[in-house]
Amino acid sequence: DTGVSQDPRHKITKRGQNVTFRCDPISEHNRLYWYRQTLGQGPEFLTYFQNEAQLEKSRLLSDRFSAERPKGSFSTLEIQRTEQGDSAMYLCASSPRLAGRINTQYFGPGTRLTVL
Amino acid sequence: AQRVTQPEKLLSVFKGAPVELKCNYSYSGSPELFWYVQYSRQRLQLLLRHISRESIKGFTADLNKGETSFHLKKPFAQEEDSAMYYCALSGGSQGNLIFGKGTKLSVKP
Repeated sequence: DTGVSQDPRHKITKRGQNVTFRCDPISEHNRLYWYRQTLGQGPEFLTYFQNEAQLEKSRLLSDRFSAERPKGSFSTLEIQRTEQGDSAMYLCASSPRLAGRINTQYFGPGTRLTVL
Repeated sequence: AQRVTQPEKLLSVFKGAPVELKCNYSYSGSPELFWYVQYSRQRLQLLLRHISRESIKGFTADLNKGETSFHLKKPFAQEEDSAMYYCALSGGSQGNLIFGKGTKLSVKP
């Protein structure tokens, strides 16, 4: 399967615990995005990487959230001291970068987080 | 502020009827507009983008800058079109998408 993959698909945790999600983008894509989707809403942008550099972060990304993309390949999103409001679907997307153009983003299946 | 509005949460039509899913946007520059679709138990996928001016699965969408709209249309709905549809815009150089809340299309036999 050459699509975007995410792991785990589901995560249930207790309030106050730390969680980490992984995203493996399509191999030749150097742009990687994280979004969060809550019930009844469209996906909301969290952060963006070009290769290993984190170039943009949304105001939604509080200091409890951190994302990395070592070596410009897979990415991890960590949430520390989880709160019930963090319960959501976390989506990863990747796209190639072609000069002067905005490109299609390919989404992963998402990780559904439930904080009890 | 950049914003995408999809006024209908749910749109229900009969098979063979025309479909129009509405999308309005707010953006000060020249955005790129997209329609994404999510079928049951599948991932979000691109349906079409305005810059391509193409028809995918019988769907078309025309960007109307005067009305800041990008409505999705199909002349004859099929049951397999039942899905969640999201309108999105990309206005920044980084390419991050701003999504509407989505419209659930239900096509009845």
